[in-house]
Amino acid sequence: KQEVTQIPAALSVPEGENLVLNCSFTDSAIYNLQWFRQDPGKGLTSLLLIQSSQREQTSGRLNASLDKSSGRSTLYIAASQPGDSATYLCAVANFYNNNDMRFGAGTRLTVKP
Amino acid sequence: DVKVTQSSRYLVKRTGEKVFLECVQDMDHENMFWYRQDPGLGLRLIYFSYDVKMKEKGDIPEGYSVSREKKERFSLILESASTNQTSMYLCASSSSGRWNRAKNIQYFGAGTRLSVL
Repeated sequence: KQEVTQIPAALSVPEGENLVLNCSFTDSAIYNLQWFRQDPGKGLTSLLLIQSSQREQTSGRLNASLDKSSGRSTLYIAASQPGDSATYLCAVANFYNNNDMRFGAGTRLTVKP
Repeated sequence: DVKVTQSSRYLVKRTGEKVFLECVQDMDHENMFWYRQDPGLGLRLIYFSYDVKMKEKGDIPEGYSVSREKKERFSLILESASTNQTSMYLCASSSSGRWNRAKNIQYFGAGTRLSVL
């Protein structure tokens, strides 16, 4: 069974810093990997999706990488802003059943002004 | 933009009540999902549906049932609510990839925070 882990559970940085969030998964047979953002009391918003054949995806100040062989993904946020404060979750879709998505518990990010 | 609407943001129910959580999506997506989210546990899949009247159990279906009579609507039913069902419930939808639409990207509703007293 796929296990998805995100470390650290919480992270606090000053505004302007570049930062990296980590996601690891135990089974490399994945269809794709997604990074989501969740604001307090709200639903999830998809930020980036990386197909299993890809190594990275970029959107604005966000860059996500995928290393299937090591079971790792990172989300890089450049020049962090207070508005980036949220919980970030990664989710991995099963290669054999891509509706079967496994979520990490998330990293709660606080960017201080 | 895809819109997934959950009928209630907050619900307070009593133990033993029958509870209906409704979810509607406006993008003609084939797939719809119900998750619950608890601190430290992430999201766990309760049920999903890949077509009208079709459903499959997720990881934690016990105590829940679902209904999908129309493509745009997916309902989660707690037959007899219990205190351990107090949680945040999230609905999502995605395309199956037909018609060349982006496959597998799940779009989420705002969530329903359910408290069972």
